[in-house]
Amino acid sequence: GQQLNQSPQSMFIQEGEDVSMNCTSSSIFNTWLWYKQDPGEGPVLLIALYKAGELTSNGRLTAQFGITRKDSFLNISASIPSDVGIYFCAGRPNSGGSNYKLTFGKGTLLTVNP
Amino acid sequence: DGGITQSPKYLFRKEGQNVTLSCEQNLNHDAMYWYRQDPGQGLRLIYYSQIVNDFQKGDIAEGYSVSREKKESFPLTVTSAQKNPTAFYLCASSSDRAVRRGAFFGQGTRLTVV
Repeated sequence: GQQLNQSPQSMFIQEGEDVSMNCTSSSIFNTWLWYKQDPGEGPVLLIALYKAGELTSNGRLTAQFGITRKDSFLNISASIPSDVGIYFCAGRPNSGGSNYKLTFGKGTLLTVNP
Repeated sequence: DGGITQSPKYLFRKEGQNVTLSCEQNLNHDAMYWYRQDPGQGLRLIYYSQIVNDFQKGDIAEGYSVSREKKESFPLTVTSAQKNPTAFYLCASSSDRAVRRGAFFGQGTRLTVV
């Protein structure tokens, strides 16, 4: 199946710092999604992006849909301890076939030191 | 409240036994999915179903089986043919009309085979 390259794999930061993570793909996506997963729980949708160049915010989170439609980034500003978790990017391909399938990155493990 | 319910939260089985994981949703979503999560591997799609009585293999379907007899339910059976069944299993659903909004996840079932 298609693969997304998500980086970094893990981050260890101090409370109050800003965080940036990104995903790249070899193929075009028409939707980019960012999820957060708390330990032992299912992922929760944070931000959805639908158009190339789109920049969307959700509180301290900001995400952008890359112009090439092959990448996306997520920024977290002024991190707090509850930001700890695994962040996943996910994309829906632009090619034919099922419109329902999502491809996920391998995740970025974020640790925030109080 | 609407949502996706996976049960049980933790499941232990002996090697060689089949085991069925439950997933129920009351969101009136058409599509349902099963993902497998291993440390550092992200989410990998096992099976998905767009409509009742129909389902398609995902990227890692070998050793698994599903059924979709009701819109609300999408149980996953981990068979003895699955070589490494110990993992965290996530069920998700999405709306046909709002498929671009991504999938909503259950809280997961952690399966341990000994």
